[in-house]
Amino acid sequence: QLQLQESGPGLVKPSETLSLTCSVSGGSISSSSYYWGWIRQPPGKGLEWIGSIYYIGSTYYNPSLKSRVTISVDTSKNQFSLKLSSVTAADTAVYYCARRSSFGGSKDYFDYWGQGTLVTVSS
Amino acid sequence: SYELTQPPSVSVSPGQTASITCSGDKLGNRYACWYQQKPGQSPVLIIYQDTKRPSGIPERFSGSNSGNTATLTISGTQAMDEAVYYCQAWDSTTVVFGGGTKLTVL
Repeated sequence: QLQLQESGPGLVKPSETLSLTCSVSGGSISSSSYYWGWIRQPPGKGLEWIGSIYYIGSTYYNPSLKSRVTISVDTSKNQFSLKLSSVTAADTAVYYCARRSSFGGSKDYFDYWGQGTLVTVSS
Repeated sequence: SYELTQPPSVSVSPGQTASITCSGDKLGNRYACWYQQKPGQSPVLIIYQDTKRPSGIPERFSGSNSGNTATLTISGTQAMDEAVYYCQAWDSTTVVFGGGTKLTVL
């Protein structure tokens, strides 16, 4: 059974960089059949896609966050990571990592999700 | 940018049919999927590619997509179906989520 687990600091100061890692177990992050993504959810609000990465390093980012986001992959550790720079209180959210199918042509979906980790931006 | 619009809330009596809509410009020309999220839990995929159910999702969940609207239908709604439901589609290479609909079973 595939499992994803987010890890990283739960508290980040304003203007600093948020860094999270997603560890994948029960499957290979190097599979050609999937992308890997980050989605966030501010407290009491809806889901917002942050970006996705393919095992060879191809990335796609939400245009509204693109200038501040970097997603990377480490196939040797079966992990992928998120960095979000210059954070403000508006970046306070539960951050989820998830597996995404790779059919293309708008057919794709997120079928496995991590449990999520709350990151609070506060001084 | 592309937007998906969902009603904030829908109510249904146990055993009845609930319908949750997701509207977007020419949404029927792209695939939609649906997620269920219960309080304190991660979202769960319940419908993908408009009408398909992942393994383990009950048959009472079904989906359709035509014109500007995708619809999630829950037949014989149970108390355990009370949750927030999100639709999701694509705008080129960008993932778009609807704002979510809270389904109340009362």
